Amino acid sequence: AQTVTQSQPEMSVQEAETVTLSCTYDTSESDYYLFWYKQPPSRQMILVIRQEAYKQQNATENRFSVNFQKAAKSFSLKISDSQLGDAAMYFCAYRSLPNAGGTSYGKLTFGQGTILTVHP
Amino acid sequence: DTEVTQTPKHLVMGMTNKKSLKCEQHMGHRAMYWYKQKAKKPPELMFVYSYEKLSINESVPSRFSPECPNSSLLNLHLHALQPEDSALYLCASSPAGVVIGYTFGSGTRLTVV
Repeated sequence: AQTVTQSQPEMSVQEAETVTLSCTYDTSESDYYLFWYKQPPSRQMILVIRQEAYKQQNATENRFSVNFQKAAKSFSLKISDSQLGDAAMYFCAYRSLPNAGGTSYGKLTFGQGTILTVHP
Repeated sequence: DTEVTQTPKHLVMGMTNKKSLKCEQHMGHRAMYWYKQKAKKPPELMFVYSYEKLSINESVPSRFSPECPNSSLLNLHLHALQPEDSALYLCASSPAGVVIGYTFGSGTRLTVV
């Protein structure tokens, strides 16, 4: 079974600064997907960024980028130019390739989450 | 329409009540999910439906009964719940067999009294 570990229960950053959230995972699979989700107080889980394990290039989405180290099983999220609206709980998640009829189908494995506070 | 809509947003029910949570999406996604989330914890998978058929049941107690009447609608029927079932219930959907990430609804905050 896969496990996802977020070792930082809480992080804080000043507005306009950069912050990095850590995530490590354990798997025996060679192909898989990794995600970062954001959950603000409004409760809705919002997809921030996605990384396919077979792609060596790190994914980026505007101010959000990842540092994907497959050999080290590490998947950190960097938020540049932090904004007040970035304050939320951030979850790292792992998903196996779809395997219709198998137990891995459709299941996201989440880390414990990191609460990010942004100070004005 | 790129949303997953969940109703109601808040629900308070007694332990002898029967209630239902509703989830709807019109993105053509053929996989739909129910998750349970306690405060400051990650979501826990309850059920997965693929093409309107139950694909995964994560050993959820029978007091929770899912239903997928069509490709756009997912229900969670609740009966004889316990106070420890109080949580945020999240619905999500995704294209079946294609991994682009889930689209989540904003959840139903359930309180069992």
